[in-house]
Amino acid sequence: SQKIEQNSEALNIQEGKTATLTCNYTNYSPAYLQWYRQDPGRGPVFLLLIRENEKEKRKERLKVTFDTTLKQSLFHITASQPADSATYLCALIKAAGNKLTFGGGTRVLVKP
Amino acid sequence: GAGVSQSPSNKVTEKGKDVELRCDPISGHTALYWYRQSLGQGLEFLIYFQGNSAPDKSGLPSDRFSAERTGGSVSTLTIQRTQQEDSAVYLCASSLGGQGASYGYTFGSGTRLTVV
Repeated sequence: SQKIEQNSEALNIQEGKTATLTCNYTNYSPAYLQWYRQDPGRGPVFLLLIRENEKEKRKERLKVTFDTTLKQSLFHITASQPADSATYLCALIKAAGNKLTFGGGTRVLVKP
Repeated sequence: GAGVSQSPSNKVTEKGKDVELRCDPISGHTALYWYRQSLGQGLEFLIYFQGNSAPDKSGLPSDRFSAERTGGSVSTLTIQRTQQEDSAVYLCASSLGGQGASYGYTFGSGTRLTVV
């Protein structure tokens, strides 16, 4: 069956360091992969989208990589700040698919 | 509107009652989605609308769940004869495109449903 796996353990990181989150998937051929941020009591907020033929995407302090051979995406937050503390979700959609399928999310806590 | 609006933000209902959850998407967004998020869990897909039609209802858990969308805008998710396992946050999202499109979703803040 199709699976999208994110580390369920919280990631504790010191302010200023780089946080790296992993999204692994099996039995899936995604056309696009997206990353979202979710704060408590709020809906997810779209951050970045990367296509299957793209290796890397950057937006400000965020960087996403997509390796369709390893079936993995890495999400990096550089120079992390306490305000980056949140849960980060990856989501995939198949080519001609009509909906995103989400991973379980990884909670990030940036300590000052 | 400026964002996706959901109402009510919180709903407590007795087991066996019916509830209606409302979603007002961003104007011009043709695609609308309902997801459910249980405590500490990921998002579970329920239904997808393109315009007023629902080409994908595969995530609706049972025939107690139904949804409609009118005027290509507002959507209502109805849960009949609520059960305690229906307790969750119900999230609505809209986007510019649907099938095969590569747009991010804009989510509302959700309706927290508690069945007692």
